[in-house]
Amino acid sequence: QQQVKQSPQSLIVQKGGISIINCAYENTAFDYFPWYQQFPGKGPALLIAIRPDVSEKKEGRFTISFNKSAKQFSLHIMDSQPGDSATYFCAASRRGGSNYKLTFGKGTLLTVNP
Amino acid sequence: NAGVMQNPRHLVRRRGQEARLRCSPMKGHSHVYWYRQLPEEGLKFMVYLQKENIIDESGMPKERFSAEFPKEGPSILRIQQVVRGDSAAYFCASSPARDSSSTDTQYFGPGTRLTVL
Repeated sequence: QQQVKQSPQSLIVQKGGISIINCAYENTAFDYFPWYQQFPGKGPALLIAIRPDVSEKKEGRFTISFNKSAKQFSLHIMDSQPGDSATYFCAASRRGGSNYKLTFGKGTLLTVNP
Repeated sequence: NAGVMQNPRHLVRRRGQEARLRCSPMKGHSHVYWYRQLPEEGLKFMVYLQKENIIDESGMPKERFSAEFPKEGPSILRIQQVVRGDSAAYFCASSPARDSSSTDTQYFGPGTRLTVL
C-alpha cells in the first residue's frame, strides 16, 4: 500500500520556469510533510517542510502548498535553475510514540535546461 | 558541526557474507533511523532506534537483518548472509531528542551503497 503518491515521475523545465511537483497522502494522521532534495550519489537533504495548520510556506524560491481537505501538497520551485536539477522526494510522518518514521513518495527527477 | 556520518560509503560483498554498516548521528542527536533505497525507488523505512533501544523495526526484514545503537559508538545495521536483492543504498538519519523544538526533522547521511556479487 503506497501511502504517499508523487507525480510526475520526471519533469523537464526551462531555466527561469516554474517547477511543480505534487504529492497525495492517504493517512489522515500524518501531520508533518517535508520535501527532500537528492543529488546523484548523495543523501537526501531537507529542503522545506510544512505542518497542516498552515496552507502555504515559502522559503526563498521554494514554496509548499498544502490542501488538508484534499490530502494533497505540492512543491513549487520558482525561477528554476540548472543547479536545481536533482531528484525531489515528498514525505510524511506523524508524531507520537514510534510514529516519527518518514513515508516517502517515489521521487521526481527534475531536469532544468539552461 | 559535523553532519550524519556513514561508513563505509561503498561496500561490496559476495553472496553469503555479512555486511556491517555504521552510522554516527549528528552531535547531540539521540534518535537514529535507517532507510533503504532501491534503484528508481523512494526511501523505505527500516528501523528507528534510540540509545540502547529499538523503538520501531516494522520495516526491517524478519530474517538476516538486525540493528543496534549502543550507549557508546555508532549505530550498526547488520545484514547476515547477504543476497543479491540486498544490493541498495542504505541511508541513516538522525534527529534531536523529543523535547527539542525541531524533533520532526531528520538529517540524512551520505549513505552506504551495498553491492552484492
